Order: sequence, then C-alpha cells, then structure tokens
Amino acid sequence: GAGVSQSPSNKVTEKGKDVELRCDPISGHTALYWYRQSLGQGLEFLIYFQGNSAPDKSGLPSDRFSAERTGGSVSTLTIQRTQQEDSAVYLCASSLNSGGANEQFFGPGTRLTVL
Amino acid sequence: QKEVEQNSGPLSVPEGAIASLNCTYSDRGSQSFFWYRQYSGKSPELIMSIYSNGDKEDGRFTAQLNKASQYVSLLIRDSQPSDSATYLCAVNEGGGSNYKLTFGKGTLLTVNP
Repeated sequence: GAGVSQSPSNKVTEKGKDVELRCDPISGHTALYWYRQSLGQGLEFLIYFQGNSAPDKSGLPSDRFSAERTGGSVSTLTIQRTQQEDSAVYLCASSLNSGGANEQFFGPGTRLTVL
Repeated sequence: QKEVEQNSGPLSVPEGAIASLNCTYSDRGSQSFFWYRQYSGKSPELIMSIYSNGDKEDGRFTAQLNKASQYVSLLIRDSQPSDSATYLCAVNEGGGSNYKLTFGKGTLLTVNP
C-alpha cells in the first residue's frame, strides 16, 4: 500500500517568510510524528499526534513552530518567520497505534532551505 | 537527557563479510529498539525492531538486545555493496512518553566489492 507522503519535497524560502509542510500518513495509522534532521545532527523529535488527544509539542524548538492535524489524518507543520537555522530535512512518520512498541514509518521528507 | 550512542564509524567491510553495528542507550526504562537504514539523500527505512533480550533474525540481519547492559547491536551477514548506508539506532523513551524515539547519530557503513 501507499506509504507516508510529504509535500513539497524541496522548499527554498527567504529568511522571515512563513512555510507550510504537509504530511499524509499511511492509511489507518492513528499516530503521526514530525522529526527534524539537520546536517551532522541526529533526528530530533518535534511533535506527536494520536487520534483526538492533545498533541505532545514538547520537541518544538520555538513558538515560531506549530502543527495541526485535521480529521485525524493529514498534518501540516508551519514555521513562521523562518530563520537560517531552520534549514533541515523535516521528516514525518506514522505508526499504526500509539505506544512504544509501534513501528514508525517515515515519509520521504521535505528539505527546507532558508536563504 | 536520554542518550543513544553509536560507534562513530565509518565502518568499512569487504563484500561477503559480517558487519557489526553497536548502540548503547541511557534510559533504563526503554523497552523498544529499532534499527533504521538511511541511504544518502533518502529518509530512514525501518529494517529491524526488537523488544526482548536475545537475538532476532530476519534474513541477513540479526538484532541483539541486552537490557542489563543497555546495549543493542545489528549484525549484517554476507554484506553486499547495496548495504552501504548510514544505520540509525532508535530507542523509545521509558514511561509515559514511550512513543518518543531517541535516535543515535548513525554509523556509516561502506561495503567494498
């Protein structure tokens, strides 16, 4: 079946602009995660959604970052007033359920470049 | 601060050899352990998950877990050039946030023909 999809695959923006990144999880997966991977850094957890529960936003690096998940499916990560340090690959993952035993499957990512 | 450490690499092995990748973690409450493969310019791909002490085999891959030593490893038998990639160890957080994964920085494996 179809995997996690993300769009756009690449985004180049100017410092100070807002960007929106989209994630469509695997059909039937209830849990959705956003991660960030910067050059030379490991994957960094950003936010977690599970069903209609309040999301875990503890990994968001600043209040310029926000995310929502509509209808328990598609998610959008928004970065306002982008900075050069926001340049990274933003990865979305989904899992069948919540809980630590659930395997997370990643989408292809969005490469964000802030000039 | 939860930490996951991997042998720094890069690791280079000849085709047909066994590649051994190691990972240690700091959170004694962790219960789930994953290995991802990441080709250059691509996203991580899940190749193994392990939850109990001991070995788990899947084809040419064997994951080994020792919770007492807080150690997890991945063995790749009969290594192929197509196995050349960065391998990421991921460990879940113990307790109420057990959905959160902490990743190591990865070990770059090169398999030489």
